[in-house]
Amino acid sequence: QVQLQESGPGLVKPSQTLSLMCTVSGGSISSSVSYWSWIRQHPGKGLEWIGHIYYSGSTYYNPSLKSRVTISVDTSKNQFSLKLSSVTAADTAVYYCVRIYCPSPTCYTNWFDPWGQGTLVTVSS
Amino acid sequence: QSVLTQPPSASGTPGQRVTISCSGSSSNIGSNTVNWYQQLPGTAPELLIYSNNQRPSGVPDRFSGSKSGTSASLAISGLQSEDEADYYCAAWDDSLNGPVFGGGTKLTVL
Repeated sequence: QVQLQESGPGLVKPSQTLSLMCTVSGGSISSSVSYWSWIRQHPGKGLEWIGHIYYSGSTYYNPSLKSRVTISVDTSKNQFSLKLSSVTAADTAVYYCVRIYCPSPTCYTNWFDPWGQGTLVTVSS
Repeated sequence: QSVLTQPPSASGTPGQRVTISCSGSSSNIGSNTVNWYQQLPGTAPELLIYSNNQRPSGVPDRFSGSKSGTSASLAISGLQSEDEADYYCAAWDDSLNGPVFGGGTKLTVL
């Protein structure tokens, strides 16, 4: 059973870069039926897709964050990571790493499962 | 402002049936499947319904989903206290080339 675990600093200073890692266990990050995603949830708010990556390195980003986001994958370590630059207080949120499961090659049907437990990142000086 | 529209709250008494609506557009719900996620207090969201109306193993058949046109709904029958949670709908958006979510519905069991 695939499990995901986020890791990284819980406190980042304004204007700096937020860096998080997600470790995948119980399955291969190189699975052809999986994309690997970051989603965040502002305190008391809804869910926001940040972006996702395929094991080949192909990336897809939310246009609203694209200029500041980099998602990368390390297949040798079964990990993928998130970097968000020039952070402000508005980037304070719980960050989740999540698998996007695609049962067919077209990925027409897909869903988020499983989710990591989430990690709260606070942007403050 | 979320792309998919859900009522912010819903409520019911134990044993009742409640429904939560999710409204979108032709670029998301109208052309792609809908998934629902349940977020219990203080925990990460979990998949509740996928592909409009499919339940993952372990999800009780009290939970059901449906979709028509650019709208979808989640129904919970035989409401139980442990169903108190936030519920989110989601669908792929062809314009965004990524997923979009509803703002979430907080379900209270009275």
